Amino acid sequence: GENVEQHPSTLSVQEGDSAVIKCTYSDSASNYFPWYKQELGKRPQLIIDIRSNVGEKKDQRIAVTLNKTAKHFSLHITETQPEDSAVYFCAATLGLGYSTLTFGKGTMLLVSP
Amino acid sequence: DAGVTQSPTHLIKTRGQQVTLRCSPKSGHDTVSWYQQALGQGPQFIFQYYEEEERQRGNFPDRFSGHQFPNYSSELNVNALLLGDSALYLCASSLTGYEQFFGPGTRLTVL
Repeated sequence: GENVEQHPSTLSVQEGDSAVIKCTYSDSASNYFPWYKQELGKRPQLIIDIRSNVGEKKDQRIAVTLNKTAKHFSLHITETQPEDSAVYFCAATLGLGYSTLTFGKGTMLLVSP
Repeated sequence: DAGVTQSPTHLIKTRGQQVTLRCSPKSGHDTVSWYQQALGQGPQFIFQYYEEEERQRGNFPDRFSGHQFPNYSSELNVNALLLGDSALYLCASSLTGYEQFFGPGTRLTVL
């Protein structure tokens, strides 16, 4: 089955800095890669996703890049703000209409004012 | 438009008991997936329901079972509860595609 590795497990940055979280996956058939943000005590919320036919996707301050050859994808947050502090999870799925997700273990991002 | 809803919010049970958790999907969604999230971990896939049938299953024992109703809502049942079943149980809905939207979860504590 699919295996997703995520690092770092914790990331501390100063407000305004950039943050990068990286994930690798094992199944070359995976073709959909979402990122979720989970604040303490709340549900995971989809913040951005990318499909395998695209190398990069951007939405305001967040972007995701995908390297299918190397089987890794990354989340980039620019101009970080204290409200970006949360746990971020990457995930991968075989897609094909089944949409079952395999998650990484999460990265706790702390943005200090 | 209501998003994904789950009930109850919190639940406390003792070892050996049985529990039923409920999920109502986002309006228009027909697929429901259940995940277990242990403290400090990422969600782990339990199973997925589509057209009232279990379509896929993760690496969970038969003590975990589910059901989907004609209105697409779903239940997760766990029998013979163990201490290790204590976790946040998340339901996610989708429309036979990729994007999954999560409910607020049910926090289960087994004593």
